[in-house]
Amino acid sequence: NAGVMQNPRHLVRRRGQEARLRCSPMKGHSHVYWYRQLPEEGLKFMVYLQKENIIDESGMPKERFSAEFPKEGPSILRIQQVVRGDSAAYFCASSSNSNTEAFFGQGTRLTVV
Amino acid sequence: GQQLNQSPQSMFIQEGEDVSMNCTSSSIFNTWLWYKQEPGEGPVLLIALYKAGELTSNGRLTAQFGITRKDSFLNISASIPSDVGIYFCAGSSADAGGTSYGKLTFGQGTILTVHP
Repeated sequence: NAGVMQNPRHLVRRRGQEARLRCSPMKGHSHVYWYRQLPEEGLKFMVYLQKENIIDESGMPKERFSAEFPKEGPSILRIQQVVRGDSAAYFCASSSNSNTEAFFGQGTRLTVV
Repeated sequence: GQQLNQSPQSMFIQEGEDVSMNCTSSSIFNTWLWYKQEPGEGPVLLIALYKAGELTSNGRLTAQFGITRKDSFLNISASIPSDVGIYFCAGSSADAGGTSYGKLTFGQGTILTVHP
């Protein structure tokens, strides 16, 4: 049973480009959570999605960031016009429902140059 | 917003020693969790606590959910080199009202180094 799969593991983008991070939840999981981790800090909640719906986006920056979890395919976190401050590790977690713990993927390390 | 204060920030210990770290919050959480993160990896759940006052063990790890629901500690007994990593506490406000267990507030982490 494969765990939460994130790709790419490492992503380098120039300032102003777009970054697309993908997350495939564990089999049977329909709830996805995105977190951001800056160097030497804890993870910060960004957004909670259930298939085709955004449930809670209270941690998402107001501009340039968006997330989706389509009926088919992985969840996507999109960052438009990246800036150096977007450099971080982005983690996805999934759960089977809202009443169970979520399991984390290995993360995507985004570097903006 | 909610914040968790985790201490100590780092620990350097000898193999075989016991370790203790804790987390405090200014607000109440309904669930406390402890995670371990190794370099280049995502957090892995170690222990989950659901009731105030609960004491739970997982092998050499023991964690307690404070009575006030505003604090938790994690103990590691007889540390070994593979215990090296960053340990995070996390709180969830998950409840019957629908807040998800997956929406977590994390502490800043405790970096553990174990010398053989």
